[in-house]
Amino acid sequence: EVQLLESGGGLVQPGGSLRLSCAASGFTFSSYAMTWVRQTPEKGLEWLSSISGTGGSTYYADSVKGRFTISRDNSKNTLYLQLNSLRAEDTAIYHCAKERDSSGHYYGYFDYWGQGTVVTVSS
Amino acid sequence: DIVMTQSPDSLAVSLGERATINCKSSQSVLYSSNNRNYLAWYQQKPGQPPKLLIYWASTRESGVPDRFSGSGSGTDFTLTINSLQAEDVAVYYCQQYYTISLTFGQGTKVEAK
Repeated sequence: EVQLLESGGGLVQPGGSLRLSCAASGFTFSSYAMTWVRQTPEKGLEWLSSISGTGGSTYYADSVKGRFTISRDNSKNTLYLQLNSLRAEDTAIYHCAKERDSSGHYYGYFDYWGQGTVVTVSS
Repeated sequence: DIVMTQSPDSLAVSLGERATINCKSSQSVLYSSNNRNYLAWYQQKPGQPPKLLIYWASTRESGVPDRFSGSGSGTDFTLTINSLQAEDVAVYYCQQYYTISLTFGQGTKVEAK
């Protein structure tokens, strides 16, 4: 059974940093691109960043480019998102999602999502 | 970025009746070299993450009931739920993956009348 379990969220002050993790199980992690998507009531679902199965290719939304960094450790079946220079508008539920296609390439549609971890940016 | 606009924002349908959700993209998501529409539909219930229903605009994900169907091409797409069941009450999102910068519709809330 595929499972994605996010962790690392919490309350952080503006300008602060967090590192989110997504522990994956139930599939061959290195064969799949992975993605981070965040969700808020105001803006809905917002794509943030994706990474190929090998980790050799990464992609970012303009809104987070230069502030967030995606990475993965295929030996630990874990996806990461480093969040720096956080702003109030980064407050959201952060989901990791598994690419449906098994080629390792990033297409951008997802057959499994984690429940999410909550990030709150506030002083 | 491609803007995805869904209509309506919400709808109430009697159980057993049909629900139709529309999704319009600000530019075509049809890739001419493979004749595929880079469009997916998701269902999200309260407290749960999104669930993939449809991809390539009309391919139903494994395990999804056949009362769910997707249609359309280019910039205009439709998700149809035939014979709405109580468990279909949820918010539905369309999403384009034609560009690296993925974008989602704002969501359509489906309720039982």
